[in-house]
Amino acid sequence: DAGVTQSPTHLIKTRGQQVTLRCSPKSGHDTVSWYQQALGQGPQFIFQYYEEEERQRGNFPDRFSGHQFPNYSSELNVNALLLGDSALYLCASSFLTALNTGELFFGEGSRLTVL
Amino acid sequence: SQQGEEDPQALSIQEGENATMNCSYKTSINNLQWYRQNSGRGLVHLILIRSNEREKHSGRLRVTLDTSKKSSSLLITASRAADTASYFCATGAGGANSKLTFGKGITLSVRP
Repeated sequence: DAGVTQSPTHLIKTRGQQVTLRCSPKSGHDTVSWYQQALGQGPQFIFQYYEEEERQRGNFPDRFSGHQFPNYSSELNVNALLLGDSALYLCASSFLTALNTGELFFGEGSRLTVL
Repeated sequence: SQQGEEDPQALSIQEGENATMNCSYKTSINNLQWYRQNSGRGLVHLILIRSNEREKHSGRLRVTLDTSKKSSSLLITASRAADTASYFCATGAGGANSKLTFGKGITLSVRP
């Protein structure tokens, strides 16, 4: 049973560029959440997708957008990259019905460096 | 913004000793969870305690929750070198707001 998989694992971009990160949830899970973790900080919630719609959003600008596909996989897009977008981007999956009291399953993350 | 604040920020102990980590939060919660992260990799769920529970055990882990003080503690007994990692508490508000809000984390070093 594959867990949450993310790609790419590492990438380097320059300011102003755009990036797309990908996530496949754990088998059987229907909900994907994205978190940003800056160095030395805890993860911060970006947004959550269920049934191909953004269900909840954290305090991130519109440069951050996402998508969920019918197979429950998800993409995170960041436009007009800033140096401050350098971080580890974590994808987490769960069942929607379990979210209120359940655990999240995290992938290993995509480490983005913006130069 | 981060709701949870862990204490201490860093902890160094000898293998076999117990490690106690504390977390305080600010708003009402539905549940509180602890996660472990090894060297900037993905987070691994350790234990969840609901707001109507006071104590929970899982193997060498014991978590307590005091909602009147808005605080929680995680105890790892008989620590091992493999327990070296960063530990985060995360709060869930429940209901329609199902995101988790994480603290900044505690760095635990267990010396062999």
